Amino acid sequence: DGGITQSPKYLFRKEGQNVTLSCEQNLNHDAMYWYRQDPGQGLRLIYYSQIVNDFQKGDIAEGYSVSREKKESFPLTVTSAQKNPTAFYLCASSFSGTGPYEQYFGPGTRLTVT
Amino acid sequence: DAKTTQPPSMDCAEGRAANLPCNHSTISGNEYVYWYRQIHSQGPQYIIHGLKNNETNEMASLIITEDRKSSTLILPHATLRDTAVYYCIVRHQGAQKLVFGQGTRLTINP
Repeated sequence: DGGITQSPKYLFRKEGQNVTLSCEQNLNHDAMYWYRQDPGQGLRLIYYSQIVNDFQKGDIAEGYSVSREKKESFPLTVTSAQKNPTAFYLCASSFSGTGPYEQYFGPGTRLTVT
Repeated sequence: DAKTTQPPSMDCAEGRAANLPCNHSTISGNEYVYWYRQIHSQGPQYIIHGLKNNETNEMASLIITEDRKSSTLILPHATLRDTAVYYCIVRHQGAQKLVFGQGTRLTINP
């Protein structure tokens, strides 16, 4: 069964704690992305990676960190430096290159920090 | 990437065709039109994309005007499960991110 998995679906943390969100894909995609969605808003890009061991900041990278040690995995860490971490986090993947490759999204992780 | 304009909400009767418009008057020649939808509390789902020709797949049809300044997504026989927010996105070939606007909240009524 191919696709993108994110875990957990719901996550609760206390303020000041770092938390890592998981994203795994078995679509053989080179590129992976992390987006954030706030209530009633569109998605905003946090980080993306086009190849293993390489990643770039998106529009709202402050307070977040990522790693890309394996093609299949792109975990996102929400650090205590992120001022408003409560949000819906979405991971996506696609083929990379100059083609019009569509991105496929996982089911999301809803993070609540209190 | 060019900006898109969509109506904030639309209604459609179950079984009828749902036609969702999108304006992208500043689109450039190498920018594609993508459509995604997002059902409440789920990840966005890719529907279709096109450059200048009309496109059809098992989910929908995409009609792009000849001047490429607007497009229409057509769901031929809407069902209750098609109730979602639909996003029209213009994206440069090879660009990494998708820029999601507010989208159109489509409600299919029984």
